Amino acid sequence: AQSVTQLGSHVSVSEGALVLLRCNYSSSVPPYLFWYVQYPNQGLQLLLKYTSAATLVKGINGFEAEFKKSETSFHLTKPSAHMSDAAEYFCAVTSRGSQGNLIFGKGTKLSVKP
Amino acid sequence: GAGVSQSPSNKVTEKGKDVELRCDPISGHTALYWYRQSLGQGLEFLIYFQGNSAPDKSGLPSDRFSAERTGGSVSTLTIQRTQQEDSAVYLCASSLGGTGAYNEQFFGPGTRLTVL
Repeated sequence: AQSVTQLGSHVSVSEGALVLLRCNYSSSVPPYLFWYVQYPNQGLQLLLKYTSAATLVKGINGFEAEFKKSETSFHLTKPSAHMSDAAEYFCAVTSRGSQGNLIFGKGTKLSVKP
Repeated sequence: GAGVSQSPSNKVTEKGKDVELRCDPISGHTALYWYRQSLGQGLEFLIYFQGNSAPDKSGLPSDRFSAERTGGSVSTLTIQRTQQEDSAVYLCASSLGGTGAYNEQFFGPGTRLTVL
């Protein structure tokens, strides 16, 4: 069965610092991978997705993620944090050829200090 | 254009009552998903609809949960005889569907259900 592990339920960075949110997946076949962001009292919004084209995926709001098959990882990064990045981030996976129901990690809450 | 909408945004009910949660997907999206977000369990898949096909109910936690989708559009999630452990945010998402498991799912704002 597929699963997703997000290391660190809370991450705090200073404004302008690098953001690194970790995601590891468990799957026998490289899946489709997604990062979603959830702002307080809102639904989830897609940041980026990996579907087997380029391994370095660029998303909205300056975020990017790199698919590393050897490490079964799909970590999310942003070079310089902004106060508006404070939110909860979810890594998710779905199987190729499946109906697309997402399996989510537990989420990482990002705080940005001024 | 309009996104996915859900109603009500908040629902408080008493243990043992039935509740209905509604989802209006994006027009033209054939796939519709229900998820549940709770503190203890995180985000969990509940049920999936694709066009007129039989739904995938594999994520429903008990037979008190059911869902339907009328006319391939609006969906209703029904919880009968609610229990306190049903308290959660229920999220609906829609996508273009078909065979594209990689299609972006667009999420609604959710319905926060509180069972007293």
